Amino acid sequence: DTAVSQTPKYLVTQMGNDKSIKCEQNLGHDTMYWYKQDSKKFLKIMFSYNNKELIINETVPNRFSPKSPDKAHLNLHINSLELGDSAVYFCASSQVASGLAYEQYFGPGTRLTVT
Amino acid sequence: RKEVEQDPGPFNVPEGATVAFNCTYSNSASQSFFWYRQDCRKEPKLLMSVYSSGNEDGRFTAQLNRASQYISLLIRDSKLSDSATYLCVVSPNTGFQKLVFGTGTRLLVSP
Repeated sequence: DTAVSQTPKYLVTQMGNDKSIKCEQNLGHDTMYWYKQDSKKFLKIMFSYNNKELIINETVPNRFSPKSPDKAHLNLHINSLELGDSAVYFCASSQVASGLAYEQYFGPGTRLTVT
Repeated sequence: RKEVEQDPGPFNVPEGATVAFNCTYSNSASQSFFWYRQDCRKEPKLLMSVYSSGNEDGRFTAQLNRASQYISLLIRDSKLSDSATYLCVVSPNTGFQKLVFGTGTRLLVSP
């Protein structure tokens, strides 16, 4: 029973293409996130959705567009891919209560390579 | 200055050793603190939360010093399976759990 799942696990594509990554969580959480981990292993938040509403958008290029069709899903669409987009993208989820930060559960990651 | 700073290591220790990692954070308004562990080519997983009074979980002890904006993790009796990257994580607000990750400290435990 995978808690947070992502597809695909690996994605190799050429510059200029458009691609999507899907994320699903079966934990009943109300908040989902996208993180990017670059080649130097630095993990940085990109977006967060709470109950399908965008609440964190960390100065990410507008080529990146998240979409949350429901609380259990958060997808990431990337237009006009660039070499610098190559990274591992992690989806995460958590339950927010009283504004406190609780454990975030991460998906296995999607390793994106742009050639 | 990075929001969360850690010594990248690697720390090479023999089995059974005690090892300590340190972390500093720049935002004095930070509210929540954690240590996550990330194995090679895997996702980060919560190791433990860090409380002002200090807390212990088996061989792991975490300490927080708000005045110095400093967090530590102590691992006693290191096991081979402790080899991983340890990420210091800070939540700067009481809002929707924005987590700020340090770049991680790599630990290698050898037989």
